Amino acid sequence: NFILTQPHSVSESPGKTVTISCTRSSGRISANYVQWYQQRPGSAPTTVIYEDNERPSGVPDRFSGSFDRSSNSASLTISGLRTEDEADYYCQSYDGSKWVFGGGTKLTVL
Amino acid sequence: EVQLVESGGGLVQPGGSLRLSCVASGLTAGVNFMTWVRQAPGKGLEWVSLLYHGGTTYYADSVKGRFTISSDDSETTLFLQMSRLRPEDTATYYCTRGRYGDSVHWGRGTLVTVSS
Repeated sequence: NFILTQPHSVSESPGKTVTISCTRSSGRISANYVQWYQQRPGSAPTTVIYEDNERPSGVPDRFSGSFDRSSNSASLTISGLRTEDEADYYCQSYDGSKWVFGGGTKLTVL
Repeated sequence: EVQLVESGGGLVQPGGSLRLSCVASGLTAGVNFMTWVRQAPGKGLEWVSLLYHGGTTYYADSVKGRFTISSDDSETTLFLQMSRLRPEDTATYYCTRGRYGDSVHWGRGTLVTVSS
């Protein structure tokens, strides 16, 4: 079993770039696919990145996923921040028998 | 367009039972996995249960032995039978489904409140 650790909150100005990390406690971060979900206030989650770095249709290319193997972390990068990007973001991975979610990161665009 | 619609939530007393349903449209063939994920009020996402195409099932330790995940033969409708409910099971329950090489699709959720 492993846990995924995310920063509780991040903030950045419109037009800037922000990166949200997701650190795996044991095992290689690249061992299993990582997904990223966006949840706006009062709404259901939606997928913004699946299988490490793939974007669903309709998700702008301002959203991208990557790995940092030195820190055993996955990252979600959002460039050209817009106010509508303000939301909670969750990373998720699995070990075959269970899904594991990070605790979520609240992104404030101010 | 993929749409998932959950139903069956409501208010139930501790120790009671509920059956949640999730009807899918737009992605009814070739699905590889279906899950239930819940979110307690003001909290983060918590995985509940996973059903792979072919029938293999898995459960979070917090619900093992009390919840049962299943689907109809066409894999169009996903179910979650919940029994011996506890106050800590209070949450919005979301269904998801997906195929390898494709995005994970989410429903809008159904609220379950366990209270006397």
